[in-house]
Amino acid sequence: GAVVSQHPSWVICKSGTSVKIECRSLDFQATTMFWYRQFPKQSLMLMATSNEGSKATYEQGVEKDKFLINHASLTLSTLTVTSAHPEDSSFYICSAREQGQGVQYFGAGTRLSVL
Amino acid sequence: GQNIDQPTEMTATEGAIVQINCTYQTSGFNGLFWYQQHAGEAPTFLSYNVLDGLEEKGRFSSFLSRSKGYSYLLLKELQMKDSASYLCAVKNTGGFKTIFGAGTRLFVKA
Repeated sequence: GAVVSQHPSWVICKSGTSVKIECRSLDFQATTMFWYRQFPKQSLMLMATSNEGSKATYEQGVEKDKFLINHASLTLSTLTVTSAHPEDSSFYICSAREQGQGVQYFGAGTRLSVL
Repeated sequence: GQNIDQPTEMTATEGAIVQINCTYQTSGFNGLFWYQQHAGEAPTFLSYNVLDGLEEKGRFSSFLSRSKGYSYLLLKELQMKDSASYLCAVKNTGGFKTIFGAGTRLFVKA
C-alpha cells in the first residue's frame, strides 16, 4: 500500500511556542490530505481537509488561526499548532488520498505534549 | 444527519472467529472502509467495499449491504496481535470526507 510519512513522531514543547508537523506522501500524489486529532480511547476527530494549492476546510469548532494548515505541494502538508497550550496536548494524525481513489492512508501520528 | 454505529468493545478467544458489525446513515455513499488501529499507533487500512457482497483478504473478510446500510468485518483464526480497535468508515458522495465510527475495541484472550 501507499506510504505516508509523518514527522516528528513525538514532540514536547513549552506553553506559548509553536510546533510544526509535516505529512508527506512518499509514493503517490496526495491531492487531498486530512488532519485528525485523537484523545486516548476515543475515535478520530477530523480537524480539517486540505486540497493542494487551496485553503484548508476546517471542521466546526476548530480554530483555523490556531491550527495552520498548508498544502503547498502534492506530496506535503503541514500543520502548525500556534501558541500551544497544555490543552492542545494530543495525538495528531494526518492521512492522504490520491485523486480519484477512495482509500486514505495514514501517517504514524505525532504525539504532542505541551508543558 | 450522519451516523456510524459499531459496538464499543468485544472479547474473543485466540483461534476463534469474530464478527464486528457496523451500521451507517450518511448523506450518500461512495465506499466503506475498515481500518485497524493498535493503541498509540495510527490506523492501517484493512478493506474497502463499494459494491454489495463479501471481500476476502486472508484472515479478514468484509461484507457490505448498501440497501441495509450495514457492513461487517470478519476475523478468522484470531491471534493475540489482533487485539486492537477496528474503525468502520464511510465516504460520502459529493464531498471529500470520510466519516469514521468510534471504533470497536477487540480483546483477544488466550
